[in-house]
Amino acid sequence: EDQVTQSPEALRLQEGESSSLNCSYTVSGLRGLFWYRQDPGKGPEFLFTLYSAGEEKEKERLKATLTKKESFLHITAPKPEDSATYLCAVQAVTGGSYIPTFGRGTSLIVHP
Amino acid sequence: DAGVIQSPRHEVTEMGQEVTLRCKPISGHDYLFWYRQTMMRGLELLIYFNNNVPIDDSGMPEDRFSAKMPNASFSTLKIQPSEPRDSAVYFCASGTERAQETQYFGPGTRLLVL
Repeated sequence: EDQVTQSPEALRLQEGESSSLNCSYTVSGLRGLFWYRQDPGKGPEFLFTLYSAGEEKEKERLKATLTKKESFLHITAPKPEDSATYLCAVQAVTGGSYIPTFGRGTSLIVHP
Repeated sequence: DAGVIQSPRHEVTEMGQEVTLRCKPISGHDYLFWYRQTMMRGLELLIYFNNNVPIDDSGMPEDRFSAKMPNASFSTLKIQPSEPRDSAVYFCASGTERAQETQYFGPGTRLLVL
C-alpha cells in the first residue's frame, strides 16, 4: 500500500526565516510526486511535479527536491502570504489508473 | 477562464436525505476527478473520468455513492441515503490528457449531514 507521511504537521516561521517541509513516501514504483498548496476554504493549487530522484523544481521562494525515499519543499525567506497548508502526493506506476495518495499536509504560518 | 465550478458551496442536510453535488470542469479538460477531504483521512480520490467515462471508482466508499458525467461540461456526485460520516469537503478537479498531474481544483462543497 502506498504511503505518504508529511512532517512537521505544523510549522511557524518568522518572515525571512527559511525552512524545509518533508514528505516521506513508500510506493511500488514512483510515477510522480506532486506538491500542492491549499489556502483555508479553497481547493488545492498545483505547485510542482517531480518524476525522478535528483530532480529539482523552483517557483519564486519555493524549491522542491526529490530522493528515492523523500521530497523536500524548501522555503527561502518566506513571507506571510506563503502561509498555507502544503500537501504532498504520490502516484504509483500501477497499470493505467491514476490514483494519487495524499499526505495529511503541513500547515505553515509565517509571522510578519 | 472561470476555473472549476462547484455547487452548492455549502450543504446541510439530515441523515437519510439524498445529496447531489455538481461540478463544471474547465472547458477543454478531458479528465475529471472527485475528491473528499476530512480531518481524519485527509484528501482521498473517490472516482475519476476520462472523456466522460468512469475509469476508476475504487475510492468510492460504498454503494450509497454514485457519480455521473453525462457530458464534457457537467458531472454529479450523489449520496443516497446520506449519513453523518459523509460530512466532509468534496472537491472536483479537472485536467488534460497531456498533463494529468496538473489538476485544477474547484472551491469545494462543504457537506454537513446531521
